[in-house]
Amino acid sequence: NAGVTQTPKFRILKIGQSMTLQCTQDMNHNYMYWYRQDPGMGLKLIYYSVGAGITDKGEVPNGYNVSRSTTEDFPLRLELAAPSQTSVYFCASSFSEGVYQPQHFGDGTRLSIL
Amino acid sequence: SQELEQSPQSLIVQEGKNLTINCTSSKTLYGLYWYKQKYGEGLIFLMMLQKGGEEKSHEKITAKLDEKKQQSSLHITASQPSHAGIYLCGAGSPTNFGNEKLTFGTGTRLTIIP
Repeated sequence: NAGVTQTPKFRILKIGQSMTLQCTQDMNHNYMYWYRQDPGMGLKLIYYSVGAGITDKGEVPNGYNVSRSTTEDFPLRLELAAPSQTSVYFCASSFSEGVYQPQHFGDGTRLSIL
Repeated sequence: SQELEQSPQSLIVQEGKNLTINCTSSKTLYGLYWYKQKYGEGLIFLMMLQKGGEEKSHEKITAKLDEKKQQSSLHITASQPSHAGIYLCGAGSPTNFGNEKLTFGTGTRLTIIP
């Protein structure tokens, strides 16, 4: 059971470059989330999705874009990488049935912008 | 916006000793989630609390939510090296779509020494 899979695990980008962080889940979860975790800080929500074609901004969406064309995949796009986007990015997913469903996390993508 | 404060920020405990981690919210908690994170890995769901006065246990870990639903504690009995890691509390809040987004505390880093 793979759960939530994130690729790549590590990446170094130059300022101004763009890239897409991939996230896929095999649990048939409707809800998916992107968080970033800066050193010594908790996780902050970037974007979330409640199903294919439906996304919304979280707490720190600037500089990022998302799309959700399938239930399984929720990619995060950085268009013009900036040093402030150096962080660890986590994707998560959860069931949509009932309230208070725990989110299941991937292992993260460690991104450095130089 | 909701803020979560965790204490202590770091904790060094001798193997076999008991310990407690606290999570205090600036607003009433509706769903409080405890996660554990190991370096290089994602977050592992431990427990979720939603009712005032609720207490849940799993193996040697007990989580409690106070009656006023503004503070939660995580207690580990007879600590083991496998308990080492970063413990994060997360508060759930509803979105317009009916799902929950999480706000996290900054984490407590637990080190177990032999």
